[in-house]
Amino acid sequence: QQQVKQSPQSLIVQKGGISIINCAYENTAFDYFPWYQQFPGKGPALLIAIRPDVSEKKEGRFTISFNKSAKQFSLHIMDSQPGDSATYFCAASTEGSARQLTFGSGTQLTVLP
Amino acid sequence: DTGVSQDPRHKITKRGQNVTFRCDPISEHNRLYWYRQTLGQGPEFLTYFQNEAQLEKSRLLSDRFSAERPKGSFSTLEIQRTEQGDSAMYLCASSFPQGAYSTEAFFGQGTRLTVV
Repeated sequence: QQQVKQSPQSLIVQKGGISIINCAYENTAFDYFPWYQQFPGKGPALLIAIRPDVSEKKEGRFTISFNKSAKQFSLHIMDSQPGDSATYFCAASTEGSARQLTFGSGTQLTVLP
Repeated sequence: DTGVSQDPRHKITKRGQNVTFRCDPISEHNRLYWYRQTLGQGPEFLTYFQNEAQLEKSRLLSDRFSAERPKGSFSTLEIQRTEQGDSAMYLCASSFPQGAYSTEAFFGQGTRLTVV
């Protein structure tokens, strides 16, 4: 059972544009929602994370928006740069499951110069 | 380099052979996780250790898979009688829970397994 659904599968934006990736979850026990960035041949690296007690978190050009009632969260990348071209995964976890991560299926982002 | 280290980075093996991968977590991290990632998909949880104890295993982890973490330090993942469907990236991650919330999980660069 896929517990975290991610869209779109791929995304192409122009340099300087805004990239938006969306995720929806089913398990209401999830209480930690990280986004990971993965470059080819590398392991995932944490980009930004949010807990459900806040609706938005911003770190530099990256913002997570969180809607607890809709069970949805999204990643916004402002002023997208070619160096942001990578695969992005949303994920979710609970302490009850020892923080094992349930990942979305990924979004391949391409930022055109 | 003080990050999570995995060895080997790449492994090509013939179907039916056994393979073993190693993961060295960040030294103070007591939680260690194994994930499997197939092409175009997100990582899927396989198993988890708290120190040397293996506390949870996914249904994805068939009887051909075994993992150990002796002395709560490095971990090994062994696949016996490999099948072509085992071809994937095997990722190791570690973390150190603090207070009510755990810190982030740090991933290694993975071991790419190809079964021919």
